Parts: sequence; structure tokens; C-alpha cells
Amino acid sequence: KAGVTQTPRYLIKTRGQQVTLSCSPISGHRSVSWYQQTPGQGLQFLFEYFSETQRNKGNFPGRFSGRQFSNSRSEMNVSTLELGDSALYLCASRAAENYGYTFGSGTRLTVV
Amino acid sequence: QKEVEQDPGPLSVPEGAIVSLNCTYSNSAFQYFMWYRQYSRKGPELLMYTYSSGNKEDGRFTAQVDKSSKYISLFIRDSQPSDSATYLCALPGYTGTASKLTFGTGTRLQVTL
Repeated sequence: KAGVTQTPRYLIKTRGQQVTLSCSPISGHRSVSWYQQTPGQGLQFLFEYFSETQRNKGNFPGRFSGRQFSNSRSEMNVSTLELGDSALYLCASRAAENYGYTFGSGTRLTVV
Repeated sequence: QKEVEQDPGPLSVPEGAIVSLNCTYSNSAFQYFMWYRQYSRKGPELLMYTYSSGNKEDGRFTAQVDKSSKYISLFIRDSQPSDSATYLCALPGYTGTASKLTFGTGTRLQVTL
């Protein structure tokens, strides 16, 4: 059974640019969440999608957005990149309520 | 005060030692508790998922929850060099059907030969 797949694995962008990250959840998992991981702040929740609807959003500026497609695949977008957006972005999926989350290996974004 | 507190370590132990990793939390609304292991350059991997107060065992790993003290622990018996990783406690919070994980800062563990 394939795990959560995130692409690309590494990305280098310039300040002011925008970026789109992709996540394919485990087959059959309809809930997809995104997290940002940095050395200073640890893992912080960005948003959760279920059946193409955003169900929950963390405390991030509006430059961070996401969406989910009918096949449960998800993308997140960061516009007007700042140096502080450099982080590991992790996607997680789960089968249903009260189930554990399975994480992908993440996309390492570096903003220069 | 952070919702979830975890000693960041690093923690260095010899092979075969018993390791104790701990988190405290402040919000009694947390009812489920998870432990994740994260190797360098990898995403977190779910180790244990528990709900009740008390102990839950899985091989060399034991998760312990004390809801009255808002204190959770992960014990690793007979630690191995392959256990060297960062261990994160994670508490799911639910608002209706929406959920999010609140993570501890993670404890970096090094098991030496």
C-alpha cells in the first residue's frame, strides 16, 4: 500500500515568488492535513481538508492557501514568499475520525 | 504557556537502556494521545495511539497516560541504535469533525553502542 506522497522533495525559491506543493494521500483516505515544521516553532498546523472542503485552518497569514481535489489529492500554495517561510512542509492523511495520521516525507522549501 | 510541553533533549543513552520520554499538556479537552518518531529528513511516523489513562504496550514501546496529571510518557525498553530519532508527542483536538494535531517540540534521542 503506497504511503503519502509529496512532491517535490526539495524546492528553492526567491523572496516574492509563489510556490505550489502537492500531496497524494493514501488511497481511500479522504482527510488531508498540512503542517509546517521549523527548528524554532516545531510542527504547526496549517489546514485540514475533507471531501474538497477546508474544515480547519491554523494561525497562518492568508498567503498560505490550499485546496483538495475530488480524488483527495491536495495542493498548498504560498504566495509572496518570505525568508521565514523556509521550512519542511508535511502532508498527512487519515482514514477516518479517531484514526492516526500518516505523514509524507515532506517538501523542504528554501526561500533565498 | 504552550498547550503541550516536551523536554527537547537531546537525550543520549547507551544501547540496552530504558528510555523515558515525557510530555505535559494544559487543556483537559485533549482525550487522545499519539507518539510519533521522526528520523532525519523523513516525515513523522506514528508509533503509538492511545485514549485511556493507563498503559498501552507494543513490543518494546509502552505509552502511559495520566489524565489527572495531564502527563503522558513513552517508554522504550532495550533501546537500540536504530531508535535514534526525534520523538514527538501529538494531541489531536477536535472541533466537531474537524481536527488538528498539537505537537510537542520533540525530544532528540541518541542511542550509543
